[in-house]
Amino acid sequence: SQTIHQWPATLVQPVGSPLSLECTVEGTSNPNLYWYRQAAGRGLQLLFYSVGIGQISSEVPQNLSASRPQDRQFILSSKKLLLSDSGFYLCAWNVAGPYNEQFFGPGTRLTVL
Amino acid sequence: AQKITQTQPGMFVQEKEAVTLDCTYDTSDQSYGLFWYKQPSSGEMIFLIYQGSYDEQNATEGRYSLNFQKARKSANLVISASQLGDSAMYFCAMRDPLDTGANSKLTFGKGITLSVRP
Repeated sequence: SQTIHQWPATLVQPVGSPLSLECTVEGTSNPNLYWYRQAAGRGLQLLFYSVGIGQISSEVPQNLSASRPQDRQFILSSKKLLLSDSGFYLCAWNVAGPYNEQFFGPGTRLTVL
Repeated sequence: AQKITQTQPGMFVQEKEAVTLDCTYDTSDQSYGLFWYKQPSSGEMIFLIYQGSYDEQNATEGRYSLNFQKARKSANLVISASQLGDSAMYFCAMRDPLDTGANSKLTFGKGITLSVRP
């Protein structure tokens, strides 16, 4: 069966510090991968998605970036965090199927101070 | 661009009763997909049910069913026989009409909080 991992689970970082969040998927090949951010009490905002290694599409211009160095690994990064980067970051994957539904990881709660 | 609207305030339901969570959407496309996700306090998003715009019957999945009214652009989630574990936030989402493949982007509503009372 497929599983998706995210780490760290929680993170507190000072403004201006770098960021690296990692997401890995097991049990599937060539998944589509997604990064979402959820502000407190709000819905999810798609940040990046990837259909293959090295292929990244950005949905929202910001100081974040994403990379996909391996088939089942998706990384969200920043060189200098802003206060507004605080939120709950969710990674998701899907493959072709009857619904093309996305499956989400447990998330990383980021607080920028 | 497509838009999902969930405007209900926090919802409360008595255990074992049914509850309807509202979702309206806006799109000019004829082909699209609608999803409902559950987010418990742990934060993980759990896929519940899917409705395709061309599906003639309302989707059902166990205690979950979708009241799909295409002309009114609504896709309300019905939870029957509520359980305490149903307490969570519920999100309605739409697949981007232009995405016909697996790399489908989702637009989410702001969510509805459901609390089940014992």
